[in-house]
Amino acid sequence: GENVEQHPSTLSVQEGDSAVIKCTYSDSASNYFPWYKQELGKRPQLIIDIRSNVGEKKDQRIAVTLNKTAKHFSLHITETQPEDSAVYFCAASSGGTSYGKLTFGQGTILTVHP
Amino acid sequence: SAVISQKPSRDICQRGTSLTIQCQVDSQVTMMFWYRQQPGQSLTLIATANQGSEATYESGFVIDKFPISRPNLTFSTLTVSNLSPEDSSIYLCSVEVGQYNEQFFGPGTRLTVL
Repeated sequence: GENVEQHPSTLSVQEGDSAVIKCTYSDSASNYFPWYKQELGKRPQLIIDIRSNVGEKKDQRIAVTLNKTAKHFSLHITETQPEDSAVYFCAASSGGTSYGKLTFGQGTILTVHP
Repeated sequence: SAVISQKPSRDICQRGTSLTIQCQVDSQVTMMFWYRQQPGQSLTLIATANQGSEATYESGFVIDKFPISRPNLTFSTLTVSNLSPEDSSIYLCSVEVGQYNEQFFGPGTRLTVL
């Protein structure tokens, strides 16, 4: 089955800096890659996703890049703010009739210091 | 997105008992999923629940321990049976909605087994 590795496990940045989280996946059939943000005690929230027919996607301060050849994808957060502090999870899915069967990475604890 | 609710939000149970968790969605959805998030860990898919068919369980999860019902397109239940302290986790339902089959999570049920 699919295996998703996520690095780093913790990331500490100063407000205004950029943050990058990287994930690799094992199943070459995977074609959908969402990122979730989970604040303490809250549900995971979908913040951005990318499909295999696209190499990069951007939404304001957040961007995701995908390299299918190398089987890795990354989350980029620019101009970080204290409210970006949370646990971030990447995931991968091989789709089929739906994208639902998500395999998650281990998570990255991002701390943004004011 | 979709409005997803879960009941109960938390519970404390004695070992050997069972807990049934309800998941309600405000719109009809084909795919519903149940995940487990152990303390400080990532999310692991337990099973996929489609209306009108048996749930599909992931490796390591069995129907006797985690029976699932899906009586209609807006509701599902997950029962965690014969509880042990190792079952202490957050259990989340999720649904796939929209044109792009994005997956959204319920608020979770925090289970503590004594």
